[in-house]
Amino acid sequence: AQSVTQLDSHVSVSEGTPVLLRCNYSSSYSPSLFWYVQHPNKGLQLLLKYTSAATLVKGINGFEAEFKKSETSFHLTKPSAHMSDAAEYFCVVSEAGATNKLIFGTGTLLAVQP
Amino acid sequence: DGGITQSPKYLFRKEGQNVTLSCEQNLNHDAMYWYRQDPGQGLRLIYYSQIVNDFQKGDIAEGYSVSREKKESFPLTVTSAQKNPTAFYLCASSWLPGNTIYFGEGSWLTVV
Repeated sequence: AQSVTQLDSHVSVSEGTPVLLRCNYSSSYSPSLFWYVQHPNKGLQLLLKYTSAATLVKGINGFEAEFKKSETSFHLTKPSAHMSDAAEYFCVVSEAGATNKLIFGTGTLLAVQP
Repeated sequence: DGGITQSPKYLFRKEGQNVTLSCEQNLNHDAMYWYRQDPGQGLRLIYYSQIVNDFQKGDIAEGYSVSREKKESFPLTVTSAQKNPTAFYLCASSWLPGNTIYFGEGSWLTVV
């Protein structure tokens, strides 16, 4: 069975400093992995997606993530945080097969201090 | 603009009443989904549909019902049988198979 673990429920950074949000996954197959962002009272927006092409995936708003099979990790990074990055971030793995079912992590709330 | 429209944004329900949340998409996606989100938890799948007139239960389908009479519409009914209906509900859609899922803006349901 596939699963995903977000290692930090809350992360706080200062504006202009790097962001690291950690995600480990478990999968019996070659997974598809996603990061979504959710601002308060909003739907989820796709940040980036890994589907077995390049292991370093670039997304929107300066975010990127690296797929490391040996570590079963898919951590999200950004070199310099902006106040508008404050939101909740979800790491997601796609279950194999045609159902397109997504398995969500419990989320990491990112706070950005001025 | 193309996208997924959920309505209403906020809904209050008395105990014992059924309510229906609307979800419409104009992206020509094959599949549609309903998720429930509770504070401090990830999203949990309620129902999904891969084709018109067909749908499947997700992980927490008890107390909910859906229909898929048109490709662009996937309404969710929260019935009085749902024990803890207060939550944020998210509709989503995608092409198949294995494609990125896109989300609507969500609907807040509060039982009073």
